[in-house]
Amino acid sequence: ETGVTQSPTHLIKTRGQQVTLRCSSQSGHNTVSWYQQALGQGPQFIFQYYREEENGRGNFPPRFSGLQFPNYSSELNVNALELDDSALYLCASSILAGGPPDTQYFGPGTRLTVL
Amino acid sequence: GENVEQHPSTLSVQEGDSAVIKCTYSDSASNYFPWYKQELGKGPQLIIDIRSNVGEKKDQRIAVTLNKTAKHFSLHITETQPEDSAVYFCAASLPSNSGYALNFGKGTSLLVTP
Repeated sequence: ETGVTQSPTHLIKTRGQQVTLRCSSQSGHNTVSWYQQALGQGPQFIFQYYREEENGRGNFPPRFSGLQFPNYSSELNVNALELDDSALYLCASSILAGGPPDTQYFGPGTRLTVL
Repeated sequence: GENVEQHPSTLSVQEGDSAVIKCTYSDSASNYFPWYKQELGKGPQLIIDIRSNVGEKKDQRIAVTLNKTAKHFSLHITETQPEDSAVYFCAASLPSNSGYALNFGKGTSLLVTP
């Protein structure tokens, strides 16, 4: 077990709705990254948060947004859900200390289904 | 951006045989290459990683090799066991102002038959 937890485990929403997913990082880690994994594909980078600021973003539209809190936990928010947003959403925690990135440890994911 | 290709997409071996999975990357600035194992219904689990200043790394039955000139890296699993059956992903990370994103391959589904 990595110590990274995510909630909820599963979620079903309808098109147009909004969703919030949550992640608690491993103790001592200050960075959280979010990934989207479609069925049968590798994870795709959404964005990364470091010290409560967005530290980088992949090729995802602005309706994907996030937050990181002082305790380094994080939220992923998706507005105006589309059918293609159905996927496993993974968060990964790591340590960023001004040098090369440390290992990213993944949580179990949240399975989002959009109907 | 970085593009990672992974082969084969499926691999079936008999217990005790070796398994090799290969990945190539496009950006020569990439400097960190982890391998993850993902079992059904679970998140990816790191099994081994290598940085660009090292050519080879081994951990018991698992080894990774890196050829920076050719921009490819490989995972080697020896003496495979049925519990090695899972989907394996390679990834590459390059230092940038866009965060330390992992760029993943599409995965290799490994089946180890008794």
